[in-house]
Amino acid sequence: DTEVTQTPKHLVMGMTNKKSLKCEQHMGHRAMYWYKQKAKKPPELMFVYSYEKLSINESVPSRFSPECPNSSLLNLHLHALQPEDSALYLCASSQGLAGGNNEQFFGPGTRLTVL
Amino acid sequence: GIQVEQSPPDLILQEGANSTLRCNFSDSVNNLQWFHQNPWGQLINLFYIPSGTKQNGRLSATTVATERYSLLYISSSQTTDSGVYFCAVVDGQNFVFGPGTRLSVLP
Repeated sequence: DTEVTQTPKHLVMGMTNKKSLKCEQHMGHRAMYWYKQKAKKPPELMFVYSYEKLSINESVPSRFSPECPNSSLLNLHLHALQPEDSALYLCASSQGLAGGNNEQFFGPGTRLTVL
Repeated sequence: GIQVEQSPPDLILQEGANSTLRCNFSDSVNNLQWFHQNPWGQLINLFYIPSGTKQNGRLSATTVATERYSLLYISSSQTTDSGVYFCAVVDGQNFVFGPGTRLSVLP
């Protein structure tokens, strides 16, 4: 099974709301990632967890807060977002430590609209 | 960091035609993947190919690591091949995507 699942598929939120995105994998992978993708652009890395520890935070604003409760789950907590944060948010996972010669597998994404 | 370029940026084909997509990268890599992003946003793994040649049905890929490029071949294209094709390489713990090639296959 090479499936990464993400919920919800779509999310519309106001700038004062608090919401969370959820990602799950059952492949035994130990690295999990959040990416942000704007229209007509490639995905950009936001956060990397290796063995449930945050190992990369690519200068992402504090209104995005990641959480890795266990090796299968990854959350992204959203608070006080701006309209320019509207994008497709993708989760991915890979075996072992992040990077190296590990194949990444992506979830279907959450399409976020901030009003 | 590593720079990744892809060409062509856009490609329009008639159904049944063949095509070659190219990915150039600026430094040596030990991890390179090709993805197809469908119109719904799903990134589908095509090949994990840090070096050598692989084939999967109508698709094949070749990476020449010493010359820092990879090629994706699509033969007998179908309308369902439409979408954006990305190559991505690992730079440390970061996964760097190229800008993509947008493919449209016309019936």
